[in-house]
Amino acid sequence: NAGVTQTPKFRILKIGQSMTLQCTQDMNHNYMYWYRQDPGMGLKLIYYSVGAGITDKGEVPNGYNVSRSTTEDFPLRLELAAPSQTSVYFCASSLQSLNTEAFFGQGTRLTVV
Amino acid sequence: GEDVEQSLFLSVREGDSSVINCTYTDSSSTYLYWYKQEPGAGLQLLTYIFSNMDMKQDQRLTVLLNKKDKHLSLRIADTQTGDSAIYFCAASGNTPLVFGKGTRLSVIA
Repeated sequence: NAGVTQTPKFRILKIGQSMTLQCTQDMNHNYMYWYRQDPGMGLKLIYYSVGAGITDKGEVPNGYNVSRSTTEDFPLRLELAAPSQTSVYFCASSLQSLNTEAFFGQGTRLTVV
Repeated sequence: GEDVEQSLFLSVREGDSSVINCTYTDSSSTYLYWYKQEPGAGLQLLTYIFSNMDMKQDQRLTVLLNKKDKHLSLRIADTQTGDSAIYFCAASGNTPLVFGKGTRLSVIA
C-alpha cells in the first residue's frame, strides 16, 4: 500500500491563479481530511469528508473547495490564490471514525507570490 | 470546541529523558495521540492512549494521562539525536483531530 499520496510536492502560484491539490489513498478509508500547517501554528483543519459524496467545513475553509466523488480521492481546490494561502497542506485519512488514528501524506508546499 | 496547548520548544542532552507536555479542553476526548514530524515530512503516529487509561509504555516512550486535569505527557527515555523533531499532541471527542502547535525537540550531542 502506498498510503496517502499528495501531488504536487511543491508549487508556486501567482496571486489570483487557481490550482487543485491532489490527494489519493489506497487504504479504503472512509474519512479524509485537509489540514494546513503554518510555522508555529500547528495544523488547522480546512475541510473533511466522512465518505464519498459528503464533505464538511473545518476551522479555516474560506478560499478553498473540496469534492469527494470516490472513496480514494479528495482534491482541494484553490480558486483565487492569495498570499495568505502560502502554507504546507497535508491530506490525511482514517478508517473507523473521525477521532481515530489519521494517516498523513507527505504534504504540498504552496507559495503564493 | 477542543483546544490543545503545548509548549513550543524543548532542548535536552543526548541520553537524558525528554518530557513533552500537553493540555486539552474537551473532557469527552476518547483518544489522545502523539505525532512526530521530521523536517520536510508529514506527520507520523508515535503512540496513542485511550481516555480510560492512565499510562501506556511503548519501548522508549511513556505516555501519562491525567484525565482530571486534562493533561497528557510524552516521555522519551535515553533521547537520541534522531529524536530531534516536532512533536504534536492531538485530541478528539467526536470530531476530526485537533492538534496543538507542536513542540520542537532539540537534542544536543
